[in-house]
Amino acid sequence: DTAVSQTPKYLVTQMGNDKSIKCEQNLGHDTMYWYKQDSKKFLKIMFSYNNKELIINETVPNRFSPKSPDKAHLNLHINSLELGDSAVYFCASSQDSGSGQPQHFGDGTRLSIL
Amino acid sequence: DQQVKQNSPSLSVQEGRISILNCDYTNSMFDYFLWYKKYPAEGPTFLISISSIKDKNEDGRFTVFLNKSAKHLSLHIVPSQPGDSAVYFCAAVRQGGSEKLVFGKGTKLTVNP
Repeated sequence: DTAVSQTPKYLVTQMGNDKSIKCEQNLGHDTMYWYKQDSKKFLKIMFSYNNKELIINETVPNRFSPKSPDKAHLNLHINSLELGDSAVYFCASSQDSGSGQPQHFGDGTRLSIL
Repeated sequence: DQQVKQNSPSLSVQEGRISILNCDYTNSMFDYFLWYKKYPAEGPTFLISISSIKDKNEDGRFTVFLNKSAKHLSLHIVPSQPGDSAVYFCAAVRQGGSEKLVFGKGTKLTVNP
C-alpha cells in the first residue's frame, strides 16, 4: 500500500495551460505539504495544510492554489503555466505539525512545460 | 539564502568502509535536524533525526552527530553497502512553529562493490 500517492507521475503540457496534481495519504496524518524541487535540486516548501487549514504559504505566485477537500487529500492547481514552473513537485504528510515528526513523501510529479 | 548547506555534491566510497556526509546550517533557531535518502524517481525517505539537545543519535548502521557550536552535523554510515547509493538530504526545522523543513541541496553517495 502506497502511503503518499501523487498523480500524475509525469505531466507534459503547453505554456498557458491550467493543470492539477492530486495527492492522497493513507497514513491518517493531520498535516500535508507541497514541495517544489527545481533544476538546481533544491527542495522548497510551497504550502502546508493542517486538518484542511492552510498553515504555511510561502512566496508562491497566485497561479498556484492548493485545495484540501479533507485531511487525506491535498491537491495543487496551477493556472497559466509558465516555463519556470517546470520542476518536480512532491507531496508529503506528517502526523501533525510543530513536533518534529518526520514527513513522508510521495514519489513526485515531474512537470515539463513546452 | 541557503540556510542549510551540503557542500559536497557527491561522495564515492568502497563497500564496507565508512561514509561521512556533512551538513552546515546558519540559522541558530533550528532545533531539529533530519536526514533523508532519495533514490531516482522516488520521493525522499526519512532516515534518522536528531534534536538540538543531543549531540549523537544512532540507528543501526546510521549515526548522526551534531555540533551546535559549529552549526554542523554529519551522517555516518558504517559499513557502507551498495544499496546505500542514493542522494542524501540534510534538513532542519524549528519546532513548535509551522514545521517548515529547510533542505540542503543533497549529496549523491555512490558505494562501489
